Amino acid sequence: DAMVIQNPRYQVTQFGKPVTLSCSQTLNHNVMYWYQQKSSQAPKLLFHYYDKDFNNEADTPDNFQSRRPNTSFCFLDIRSPGLGDAAMYLCATSRDWGSNQPQHFGDGTRLSIL
Amino acid sequence: RKEVEQDPGPFNVPEGATVAFNCTYSNSASQSFFWYRQDCRKEPKLLMSVYSSGNEDGRFTAQLNRASQYISLLIRDSKLSDSATYLCVVMRNQFYFGTGTSLTVIP
Repeated sequence: DAMVIQNPRYQVTQFGKPVTLSCSQTLNHNVMYWYQQKSSQAPKLLFHYYDKDFNNEADTPDNFQSRRPNTSFCFLDIRSPGLGDAAMYLCATSRDWGSNQPQHFGDGTRLSIL
Repeated sequence: RKEVEQDPGPFNVPEGATVAFNCTYSNSASQSFFWYRQDCRKEPKLLMSVYSSGNEDGRFTAQLNRASQYISLLIRDSKLSDSATYLCVVMRNQFYFGTGTSLTVIP
């Protein structure tokens, strides 16, 4: 059974039209992460939540926002998508921050910009 | 200097071959180490954690050398289904990913 679920698997949006990607988890993990991954590149951390505490990476554009209304759900909002935002967006969880536990990834959402 | 560096490959090996990947990390305070496998256009999936004493899971063996700050992954008796990108991941204050090593196993 999938433990980290991302919706949708594929998202097409227009240039500048806001889009929201969702992630849910059944693991009851404290930490949830959003990554952006472009072709042949490593996943790039955008931000993470430790419980309700939001932590933004310094180089994450302001265009990217996130919400975590409860333990199970986390959303990625892209306010005005540009062509450079086309990528795979990966949600991941881990039991705790700084622990030796690995991350668990969802299937990803592949975002295309028209 | 990057936190994690891997040889991107590609590695093209025949079925049944043994292949090894190395990964180096820059910060000696790194705490945890993992190998993930990522298939084309899919999410990374945990292959194995890497422990100080080294560990084995079937055809896969992972080693950690803290003195030299590298980890390795050995795949024995390669299968066609092993074709993927292998990501080295190091955890210190966050998870740091290598760019991955591409493996293609050829019939």
